[in-house]
Amino acid sequence: DAGITQSPRHKVTETGTPVTLRCHQTENHRYMYWYRQDPGHGLRLIHYSYGVKDTDKGEVSDGYSVSRSKTEDFLLTLESATSSQTSVYFCAIRLTGTAIEQFFGPGTRLTVL
Amino acid sequence: AQKVTQAQTEISVVEKEDVTLDCVYETRDTTYYLFWYKQPPSGELVFLIRRNSFDEQNEISGRYSWNFQKSTSSFNFTITASQVVDSAVYFCALSAPADGLTFGKGTHLIIQP
Repeated sequence: DAGITQSPRHKVTETGTPVTLRCHQTENHRYMYWYRQDPGHGLRLIHYSYGVKDTDKGEVSDGYSVSRSKTEDFLLTLESATSSQTSVYFCAIRLTGTAIEQFFGPGTRLTVL
Repeated sequence: AQKVTQAQTEISVVEKEDVTLDCVYETRDTTYYLFWYKQPPSGELVFLIRRNSFDEQNEISGRYSWNFQKSTSSFNFTITASQVVDSAVYFCALSAPADGLTFGKGTHLIIQP
């Protein structure tokens, strides 16, 4: 158990509203990631962070922003949610040290009406 | 750019049969990592294995085995004597050392009793 929690676990919102998803880890791992999972697409990387205030874009970053003001929290924000952002969002961490594998949180199911 | 192809969208077998899930990858990196993840019906993502590009040894873990062949850019996963609990979506993924994961679209494995 890599000690990853995501909140909320489920959210329904309306088009045009801002939404923030939170990923919290308890073990001070440096690398954190946000992915979205959609039918027929597998998981795709949105943004990732390699330290406090250090973030970079992934494959599908348009419409999303992230922030990491402290090691344990990585926030994903949809500034103005659209129906195309309806998805399941997974946060992941990479263990500190030589390990490369990522461990995932339980996911957040977001529905944008 | 990296790419992972899982050509088998869905596989259905009867319990106790052996089944192989195919994964073909593309990358220009000389150092890279390959992974398999399992996503059971409950939705969480479970890490199964990591293989480094410089280590072509095959691996066996109980009923699971993995065949990595750089010559054909493949990293196939075999389940021997399948069980109903093996029913899940299986994802193959690829990563350069400091990047996020590039996932295939997944193979839905159905084990019928």
